[in-house]
Amino acid sequence: QKEVEQNSGPLSVPEGAIASLNCTYSDRGSQSFFWYRQYSGKSPELIMFIYSNGDKEDGRFTAQLNKASQYVSLLIRDSQPSDSATYLCAVRYGNKLVFGAGTILRVKS
Amino acid sequence: SQTIHQWPATLVQPVGSPLSLECTVEGTSNPNLYWYRQAAGRGLQLLFYSVGIGQISSEVPQNLSASRPQDRQFILSSKKLLLSDSGFYLCAWINWGTGELFFGEGSRLTVL
Repeated sequence: QKEVEQNSGPLSVPEGAIASLNCTYSDRGSQSFFWYRQYSGKSPELIMFIYSNGDKEDGRFTAQLNKASQYVSLLIRDSQPSDSATYLCAVRYGNKLVFGAGTILRVKS
Repeated sequence: SQTIHQWPATLVQPVGSPLSLECTVEGTSNPNLYWYRQAAGRGLQLLFYSVGIGQISSEVPQNLSASRPQDRQFILSSKKLLLSDSGFYLCAWINWGTGELFFGEGSRLTVL
């Protein structure tokens, strides 16, 4: 059973702070990892993907991958109220993506 | 560019009624297609995926079925809906270059 675990939250941060979202996965053979953002009532949209150990930065977003610990995280710097959403971690297994249950992020202005 | 369409966007159905949700993809050929379901407050559950016409893989036992009658068409069906079938149904295709899933706008089903 391929599992992807996330803390459901909600995670509340003040505007301008750093939000840290975490995800663990069960299969050491996993190679591709994705973060999606989903606004209420909408379909998910990709924020970032990461394949290699270490950090990957894109604007205010940084994805971090540690394959030895089977851990992937997403940092959001200078959090804005518009970042309030559910963040879904996904792991690729063969030709399928398995999703975690998502973490609700609330950015308070 | 590739686009993915789903319909209907919203539907309310009585228990025991049939269901048909449709998904079409434009701008790509021979896509891998997926049906996910998201129950209220829950994550995405993979229901079916298809690697080609007539080829369907089922991920969970349930009263739903899927068909792929054409290369870029994917249909989700049920003969008799249950209350537990309520949810947000998402069709998606995968970009093999990045492994990224692109989602349609979703179909919200309420079974009463």
